[in-house]
Amino acid sequence: QKEVEQDPGPLSVPEGAIVSLNCTYSNSAFQYFMWYRQYSRKGPELLMYTYSSGNKEDGRFTAQVDKSSKYISLFIRDSQPSDSATYLCAMSLNAGNMLTFGGGTRLMVKP
Amino acid sequence: EAGVTQFPSHSVIEKGQTVTLRCDPISGHDNLYWYRRVMGKEIKFLLHFVKESKQDESGMPNNRFLAERTGGTYSTLKVQPAELEDSGVYFCASSQETGHPGKLFFGSGTQLSVL
Repeated sequence: QKEVEQDPGPLSVPEGAIVSLNCTYSNSAFQYFMWYRQYSRKGPELLMYTYSSGNKEDGRFTAQVDKSSKYISLFIRDSQPSDSATYLCAMSLNAGNMLTFGGGTRLMVKP
Repeated sequence: EAGVTQFPSHSVIEKGQTVTLRCDPISGHDNLYWYRRVMGKEIKFLLHFVKESKQDESGMPNNRFLAERTGGTYSTLKVQPAELEDSGVYFCASSQETGHPGKLFFGSGTQLSVL
């Protein structure tokens, strides 16, 4: 069983839709949770970073962490074609930077 | 400000050959990481340098992989001899902060194909 599960998609939505991306994990010791965005032929780019449970909002993006359910989410409001990319969740046990990644969800936002 | 630079962007070699990947981190970033993604799998951690010292190399798959960071600036990752299962994308990342996991800046990766 993978430590971090993420639906690979692709997820196709119309422009302006609200997008919900999710990951589940098995190791309850994870404390730090991240979402990265990766465009084709580029490296991952950090979008959101959360410590422990709770919500965090940044512009059109909201990250939620539910440690009791071992479930994290990323919501994108008013999605744009430029949001089309692969979204990777990642998590870490401690303050070190050994990240455990999900496989990524490919998102396509159609004009 | 220049980002993390990796080269080559692509490398195609035959099984048994040697390949060396290079990473130039963002200037001033003491922390440098190597990750890789093999076909159909997740991105996996390989190792972590703090300046020129290996902080954590628990993700290195075997002794065919050798990473160096002489002088605490750029880093190289050598695979010798390369095997078919080494094919994948090798990412380098750097960060300035410690104690803030995930705030990594990634390069665009080196696509390695071993034939």
